[in-house]
Amino acid sequence: DTGVSQDPRHKITKRGQNVTFRCDPISEHNRLYWYRQTLGQGPEFLTYFQNEAQLEKSRLLSDRFSAERPKGSFSTLEIQRTEQGDSAMYLCASSPGQGATTNEKLFFGSGTQLSVL
Amino acid sequence: KNEVEQSPQNLTAQEGEFITINCSYSVGISALHWLQQHPGGGIVSLFMLSSGKKKHGRLIATINIQEKHSSLHITASHPRDSAVYICAVSPWGSNYKLTFGKGTLLTVNP
Repeated sequence: DTGVSQDPRHKITKRGQNVTFRCDPISEHNRLYWYRQTLGQGPEFLTYFQNEAQLEKSRLLSDRFSAERPKGSFSTLEIQRTEQGDSAMYLCASSPGQGATTNEKLFFGSGTQLSVL
Repeated sequence: KNEVEQSPQNLTAQEGEFITINCSYSVGISALHWLQQHPGGGIVSLFMLSSGKKKHGRLIATINIQEKHSSLHITASHPRDSAVYICAVSPWGSNYKLTFGKGTLLTVNP
């Protein structure tokens, strides 16, 4: 078990281009989360999956953003028509999602740093 | 006003010093998390607690639910403890969705 993996680590793109990030959670973790972090700030919640179901999306996630977790394993986050304000670290996390409690430690990936020029 | 406030924002210490980082929050929570983030992004969960006190090695986390306050202590600090320490809460009703503080940048000098 190598932990949560994110790919790519860094992405530089021009404004208006589409980008896609991938997250591979810890195997058998049912819950997967996407967060966004800008410089000097704490991470902000974007969206959350329980298995393949996307249960909540933040209002930060405009219609240019879409996330999927088609088979309940890896997830992708796509940003269409990128803007300079999208520049941030995109963090993925997973948690076991076992039992009734939803208070669990999250296991984070190293993030994808996006720079939109 | 942020729902989660940390103090101080920056902290510089000499190796061996006792460190305290504070976290105050304004919402009802089901749990509070302390996390560590090193340069380059990786975040590691240190503690999750909903009452009392937890200890792991040189790290101690306490929480006072009535006062909506938590502290993270580091005993016998070491340069390898240098990192950003982040407090996050699981609000009631959305306890899968953490709300993060801005973090405290700790630098421990040898």
